[in-house]
Amino acid sequence: EDKVVQSPLSLVVHEGDTVTLNCSYEVTNFRSLLWYKQEKKAPTFLFMLTSSGIEKKSGRLSSILDKKELFSILNITATQTGDSAVYLCAVLNTGTASKLTFGTGTRLQVTL
Amino acid sequence: NAGVTQTPKFQVLKTGQSMTLQCAQDMNHEYMSWYRQDPGMGLRLIHYSVGAGITDQGEVPNGYNVSRSTTEDFPLRLLSAAPSQTSVYFCASKGGASVGYTFGSGTRLTVV
Repeated sequence: EDKVVQSPLSLVVHEGDTVTLNCSYEVTNFRSLLWYKQEKKAPTFLFMLTSSGIEKKSGRLSSILDKKELFSILNITATQTGDSAVYLCAVLNTGTASKLTFGTGTRLQVTL
Repeated sequence: NAGVTQTPKFQVLKTGQSMTLQCAQDMNHEYMSWYRQDPGMGLRLIHYSVGAGITDQGEVPNGYNVSRSTTEDFPLRLLSAAPSQTSVYFCASKGGASVGYTFGSGTRLTVV
């Protein structure tokens, strides 16, 4: 059974701090790992990572994948209150089904 | 483009009632999925489809039916609602095997 584990479950930081969110996985037929941000409604797409060691970056957010050790990290630098959300990690498998398996998420709260 | 549209946004059902959650996408996406999200459980796959006329079960299919008669629509039917089906339901779609899913805004369902 595919499994995705995120840590920490939640954290509270001050505005301006840098945070690192972790995601490890045990998945047969791995294709890609995805990060989503979920505020009050639907998850919104952040990154898709397919190759090891290649950092993806978008503004203050960045992410990298290690396919040997089966994990990914999501970094957020200079956090802002608008970064407060649940961050979801998911793994996409190969094959015709192309299913997405999610972790339970990390709840990030950024305080002033 | 409207993206992925879910209706209704909120619904209250009595135990034993049946209903259909609607999902439509206007992006000509092949892949569509239904997830439910419960506190502490992350998003769990209910049913998915890889194209019109093709559906299959996900992780938690019991109590739900789906059909995919057109590329655009992927309704989820609750046959006989139970309190355990109280949840937030998300429909998602994607256009190919190597891209991520786009999510609808969700349906919050309460079964009393």
